Amino acid sequence: GAVVSQHPSWVICKSGTSVKIECRSLDFQATTMFWYRQFPKQSLMLMATSNEGSKATYEQGVEKDKFLINHASLTLSTLTVTSAHPEDSSFYICSARDGNFAYEQYFGPGTRLTVT
Amino acid sequence: GESVGLHLPTLSVQEGDNSIINCAYSNSASDYFIWYKQESGKGPQFIIDIRSNMDKRQGQRVTVLLNKTVKHLSLQIAATQPGDSAVYFCAENERSGSRLTFGEGTQLTVNP
Repeated sequence: GAVVSQHPSWVICKSGTSVKIECRSLDFQATTMFWYRQFPKQSLMLMATSNEGSKATYEQGVEKDKFLINHASLTLSTLTVTSAHPEDSSFYICSARDGNFAYEQYFGPGTRLTVT
Repeated sequence: GESVGLHLPTLSVQEGDNSIINCAYSNSASDYFIWYKQESGKGPQFIIDIRSNMDKRQGQRVTVLLNKTVKHLSLQIAATQPGDSAVYFCAENERSGSRLTFGEGTQLTVNP
């Protein structure tokens, strides 16, 4: 149980284009989902927290107009990187929490984004 | 913003030895701690957790120790195997429903 999937697992896009990454909870309802970014040899850095049906809460320094997050259902959240640039190339990981007062987060397998 | 050129702390052990990975945390209000294993190109995988009302918890081949006095967490892996080679992260959570804060990670390499 508690499986989270991401799609695509890797994507290459040209500079200036937008790319959408999906995060799905497969066997539970995710009231809260989190999006992280991870650069090589570094830890996970939280980008934003999204609750189903409401606007995402972004961490300081993360551009909300560049990283659009939609959590339209209890099993799906999407992250859209708009007008991507090479410096946006990174490993993007989502996680999901089952319940507003739970501790555990279940992580997806990650999406490798390369912007050329 | 992110720092450039960081290198993860590394730990290299021989197969069969015990490994100890350490983590210091800063928030004295944290009440839940987790260790994750991350293999190259994959998402974090839950290993073991511990709540602040405990100081030790054991799993299969793994033990987590919590010292709240010095805000220190450790992960012990018994009889380390090549498949244990990965980056290990500790994470802390201040209260249920709040965000996780990840530590810097340690690269564990197991030599056959």
